[in-house]
Amino acid sequence: QITLKESGPTLVKPTQTLTLTCTFSGFSLSTSGVGVGWIRQPPGKALEWLALIYWDDDKRYSPSLKSRLTITKDTSKNQVVLTMTNMDPVDTATYYCAPRWGSWFDPWGQGILVTVSS
Amino acid sequence: QSALTQPASVSGSPGQSITISCTGTSSDVGGYNYVSWYQQHPGKAPKLMIYGVTNRPSGVPDRFSGSKSGNTASLTISGLQAEDEADYYCSSYTTTSPVIFGGGTQLTVL
Repeated sequence: QITLKESGPTLVKPTQTLTLTCTFSGFSLSTSGVGVGWIRQPPGKALEWLALIYWDDDKRYSPSLKSRLTITKDTSKNQVVLTMTNMDPVDTATYYCAPRWGSWFDPWGQGILVTVSS
Repeated sequence: QSALTQPASVSGSPGQSITISCTGTSSDVGGYNYVSWYQQHPGKAPKLMIYGVTNRPSGVPDRFSGSKSGNTASLTISGLQAEDEADYYCSSYTTTSPVIFGGGTQLTVL
């Protein structure tokens, strides 16, 4: 059974850096072809892909947010970390992580609501 | 890159069939057989319903089916049930990015 859980601060101030951790079980990020991605969803709005990291450490970022994002992995700990710099109130959203198999995400973590406010 | 285009809302009565469209370009939907669909109930995480345009994961009812024609992918739900009421999102691989999502469609079961 594959499970994922997002953790990190639920409240950050504008201009601060957000660090989120995705801790997973049931699969390994050392398996060829596997990736883990981050996706966010502002309240009442659509899903937005943020970043992906693959088993071979290949990293991909949303073109619109690339300058603010960094994704890393710790295979031994079964964790993927996403950092987003210069947080703004418009970054208020539920942040999800999910494993990437080929071209789809399945299953998704429960998500973590991050609010950006002073 | 702009999100894939989905209707904001669709509705249907129990037992009926509905189709949700997802329109992109030849650089995404039309260029690859890498379209997936996700169902999201309020307050819940998205759930994979279709991958690779037409494939259903284990456990997803066969009432759900996917197809593609040109630059438009479609999700069809036949024999609509009350529990199908949710938001649905399409996603595709693109030439410039591994992931793009649609704007989402709210399905109402009347």
